[in-house]
Amino acid sequence: QVQLQESGPGLVKPSQTLSLTCTVSGGSINSGSYYWSWIRQPAGKGLEWIGRIYTSGSTNYNPSLKSRLTISVDTSKNQFSLKLNSVTAADTAVYYCARMGDFWSGFPFDYWGQGTLVTVSS
Amino acid sequence: QSALTQPASVSGSPGQSITISCTGTSSDVGGYYYVSWYQQHPGKAPKLMIYEVSDRPSGVPDRFSGYKSGNTASLTISGLQAEDEADYYCSSYTSSSTVVFGGGTKLTVL
Repeated sequence: QVQLQESGPGLVKPSQTLSLTCTVSGGSINSGSYYWSWIRQPAGKGLEWIGRIYTSGSTNYNPSLKSRLTISVDTSKNQFSLKLNSVTAADTAVYYCARMGDFWSGFPFDYWGQGTLVTVSS
Repeated sequence: QSALTQPASVSGSPGQSITISCTGTSSDVGGYYYVSWYQQHPGKAPKLMIYEVSDRPSGVPDRFSGYKSGNTASLTISGLQAEDEADYYCSSYTSSSTVVFGGGTKLTVL
């Protein structure tokens, strides 16, 4: 059973960089044809897709975040990471990492982390 | 990219059926059979309920079904049960190799 766990600071100051890591257990991040994604959800609001990475390092980003965003993968640690710079209060949200299937399965998010709340405040 | 359009809320009584719509464009919902639906209970991570428009992952009851016509996808829940009360989100792959979610629908079981 694949499990994902987000980790990182729960409080980030405005204009600084938000950094989160997702650790994958129960299977190798390299096995199968999967993408690894980040999704966020502000309190009381809907889901917003942030971006995804393939184990080759290929990425796709939400156009609204692309200029501030970097997603990377460390296959040796079975982890992938998110860096969002120049954050503002609007970036305050619960951040989820998730496994995303490939086009053969229609790109579903089939496994999710429990989510981690990141608050941007001075 | 604009969020897919879902009704803010729907409701139904136990045993009844409800349908939640998800409207996009020809660049997302209308262009691909890559529509998924997620159920989210308060304080919990979303759970995949439907993928590829109408397929159910193992363990999801067959009371949940999906359909698509043109730029609109739909999730139908038949035989409503109290535990179905939750928020539901649709998502679609897009022509830009990105993913877009719907705004979410709150299902109330009366």
